[in-house]
Amino acid sequence: DVKVTQSSRYLVKRTGEKVFLECVQDMDHENMFWYRQDPGLGLRLIYFSYDVKMKEKGDIPEGYSVSREKKERFSLILESASTNQTSMYLCASSFPTGASYGYTFGSGTRLTVV
Amino acid sequence: AQSVTQLDSQVPVFEEAPVELRCNYSSSVSVYLFWYVQYPNQGLQLLLKYLSGSTLVKGINGFEAEFNKSQTSFHLRKPSVHISDTAEYFCAVRRYNNNDMRFGAGTRLTVKP
Repeated sequence: DVKVTQSSRYLVKRTGEKVFLECVQDMDHENMFWYRQDPGLGLRLIYFSYDVKMKEKGDIPEGYSVSREKKERFSLILESASTNQTSMYLCASSFPTGASYGYTFGSGTRLTVV
Repeated sequence: AQSVTQLDSQVPVFEEAPVELRCNYSSSVSVYLFWYVQYPNQGLQLLLKYLSGSTLVKGINGFEAEFNKSQTSFHLRKPSVHISDTAEYFCAVRRYNNNDMRFGAGTRLTVKP
């Protein structure tokens, strides 16, 4: 089975801290994605990546950055955490354009910023 | 860009009753359509997808969905639900030749005994 592993299930960080959320997939997927999930808003795309060292902004990139130095790993970075970034963060991966696949999701990281 | 509207935020039903979770999408180009399920404290799991061909698609756990191009809808149905179907369900759309997927706000299905 394809696995997408998010390194932490729960995180509590302080306002102003730099926060790293890590995601690793083992299926050689080219595409990787970061979403945040909030009640009543569904999943909103933060950033995605088509390939190593490539990144594209999603719908809500403000306050976030990403890093993809290796194909299997996609990191989400909160440069200076704020309370409005308290949320569930979901990582996903997929094969590239033209392949009619859905995404494979990790179990999520619930981040609380205090 | 494509967008997805799930018409019901919460759907309570009794066990063994039928259920329909509604989804409408908008897109200027052809799309792939998906339904995902999220059980408590878990990530999303693919239930079913529409790519092309027959407009009625069957998925896991007895769910099925029907693609209606004229109404731009992709409603999810199950003829008889179980307690274990209690979860949040997300409809999603992905354009042909495009990498990113857009999700609806989710529908929380609660099955009562």
